[in-house]
Amino acid sequence: EVQLVESGGGLVQPGGSLRLSCEASGFPFSSYAMHWVRQAPGKGLECLSTILSHGGTTYYADSVKGRFTISRDNSKNTLYLHMGSLRSEDMGVYYCARNTGSDLAPGDYWGQGSLVTVSS
Amino acid sequence: QSVLTQPPSVSAAPGQKVTISCSGSSSNIGNNYVSWYQHLPGTAPKLLIYDNTGRQSVIPDRFSGSKSDTSATLGITGLQTGDEADYYCGTWDSRLNAFVFGTGTKVTVL
Repeated sequence: EVQLVESGGGLVQPGGSLRLSCEASGFPFSSYAMHWVRQAPGKGLECLSTILSHGGTTYYADSVKGRFTISRDNSKNTLYLHMGSLRSEDMGVYYCARNTGSDLAPGDYWGQGSLVTVSS
Repeated sequence: QSVLTQPPSVSAAPGQKVTISCSGSSSNIGNNYVSWYQHLPGTAPKLLIYDNTGRQSVIPDRFSGSKSDTSATLGITGLQTGDEADYYCGTWDSRLNAFVFGTGTKVTVL
């Protein structure tokens, strides 16, 4: 059974840092590109970052470029999102998602979501 | 503000059909595949359509996707109360070098 289990969310002060993890199982993790998607309160979905299967190529939304870093450890079947210089607008639920389809696109399996709260 | 524009809301009676449009440009929809997602509050988004028209076996054939030039459309037939949700289109944007979601459409079953 394919599973994506997220951890690492929580409360952080403005300007602080946090690392989200997404542990994958039930499929060959090293063969899939992966994504991080966020939904801020009252807002729509936003794809924050994408990483190719080998980890050597990454992409970022302008809203997090320079502050967030996506990475993966294929030996541990785990995806990461390192978040720095956090702002109130970074609050929301963060999902990891497996790629599906011919293009790069969040796909058929998603994590359960991790809540990130940025507040002093 | 997203580069993909959707109507804020659509509604119809049970059993009827709704269509949701997604308008983009040559840097996104015009040259890349489109996906569609259903999102219920408090749950992870669900992939409905991939590669413009593809549908996985677990997705009912009441859901269909199409694409023409720089626009895409999601169709839902035989509308059910369980279809009430937010729906998003999405595609890769070659200018932004990022995956982008549409603005989202709330479907209401009257």
